[in-house]
Amino acid sequence: GDSVTQMEGPVTLSEEAFLTINCTYTATGYPSLFWYVQYPGEGLQLLLKATKADDKGSNKGFEATYRKETTSFHLEKGSVQVSDSAVYFCALSDLGNTPLVFGKGTRLSVIA
Amino acid sequence: GAVVSQHPSRVICKSGTSVKIECRSLDFQATTMFWYRQFPKQSLMLMATSNEGSKATYEQGVEKDKFLINHASLTLSTLTVTSAHPEDSSFYICSARSSGNTEAFFGQGTRLTVV
Repeated sequence: GDSVTQMEGPVTLSEEAFLTINCTYTATGYPSLFWYVQYPGEGLQLLLKATKADDKGSNKGFEATYRKETTSFHLEKGSVQVSDSAVYFCALSDLGNTPLVFGKGTRLSVIA
Repeated sequence: GAVVSQHPSRVICKSGTSVKIECRSLDFQATTMFWYRQFPKQSLMLMATSNEGSKATYEQGVEKDKFLINHASLTLSTLTVTSAHPEDSSFYICSARSSGNTEAFFGQGTRLTVV
């Protein structure tokens, strides 16, 4: 079945550092790819998405490119802030009634 | 983006009582809703998938008589934890999706504490 593998955390960075969180996937079809963010005590918020190969999703300074050749969707941000501290989940989805497939999540802590 | 409202955000109940959690899609029709459970510092564990007007499909190991799911309309699904016990204490999150869309939108989560 479909699966998502993302780098394990926790990741601790200083403010203004460059962030990369790796995510790779396996899927039989052509899924859409997502990054969700979860702040402490809250549900998940959609951060960005890409629906086909070579699409780049971007939001709030974060970006990720759908790479079909490497089956990857790595999350990047050029300069992180303390407010970016959260857990980040990579996920994929096919059409239909099937649930999203999530990675295990990566906890990011940004220190001032 | 679309809004999913989950209520209550926090609930404390006594052991042996039942608790109902509501999940509403406010501005779209949720043909499919998903219920997750999340343990501290862990990923989401899918409990069940429900399609409007149909019985929920439970994941292996999830007791359907304990976690009752109803999806009676295109904007509302409920999860009832029956005869709750302390081990049911957890963070429960709902997610909703409309027909033809790949992305899902999440509620704010419900922190259940059974004492």
